[in-house]
Amino acid sequence: EVQLVESGGGLVQPGRSLRLSCAASGFTFNDNAMHWVRQAPGKGLEWVSGISWNSGIKAYADSVKGRFTISRDNAKNSLYLQMNSLRGEDTALYYCAREISPVLWATMDVWGHGTTVTVSS
Amino acid sequence: QSALTQPASMSGSPGQSITISCTGTSSDVGSYNLVSWYQQHPGKAPRLLIYEANSRPSGVSNRFSGSRSGNTASLTISGLQAEDEADYYCCSYAGVSTPVVFGGGTKLTVL
Repeated sequence: EVQLVESGGGLVQPGRSLRLSCAASGFTFNDNAMHWVRQAPGKGLEWVSGISWNSGIKAYADSVKGRFTISRDNAKNSLYLQMNSLRGEDTALYYCAREISPVLWATMDVWGHGTTVTVSS
Repeated sequence: QSALTQPASMSGSPGQSITISCTGTSSDVGSYNLVSWYQQHPGKAPRLLIYEANSRPSGVSNRFSGSRSGNTASLTISGLQAEDEADYYCCSYAGVSTPVVFGGGTKLTVL
């Protein structure tokens, strides 16, 4: 079964850091680009970041550029999101999603259940 | 990169057809056929319904169809069913720098 399982969310103070992880299983991880997408409480989907199959392309939303870093370890079938200088507006459910292509085509065919990040003092 | 524009809400009766629009710009929807649509039920993860503007993944009902013309993409749901009540999001490729942009979402109510 194709599966994505996110972890690492939690309550964190403004200005602090958090690292999210996404464990992939059931498919050849290095065949696909990957994304992080978030959803603030009661709000719509917001794309956060994406990474190509070989980490050669990394892209970020303007709202997180310079604060968040996406990475992947194909040997461990894992995707990561390092989040620094967190702000209240980063509070959201963070989804890991599989891109249908090895590069970033904005088409996500498999989604995890998400991990919740709450930024508050 | 601004979000794509969708109607905030729509409604329809069982058996009817509805079309949700998604308006972008010449930098995203107007330039690329890489438009996708997602369905999200409350408390659930999004589900891919349409990709490349008008293609359906296996397992998605043929009651869902997509199209694209100029800067606007559309999702049509025919033969509305109660289970179609959900939020719907469009998404488009928008270039190398910021490759992904979502619409604000449309809440569909089946009366």
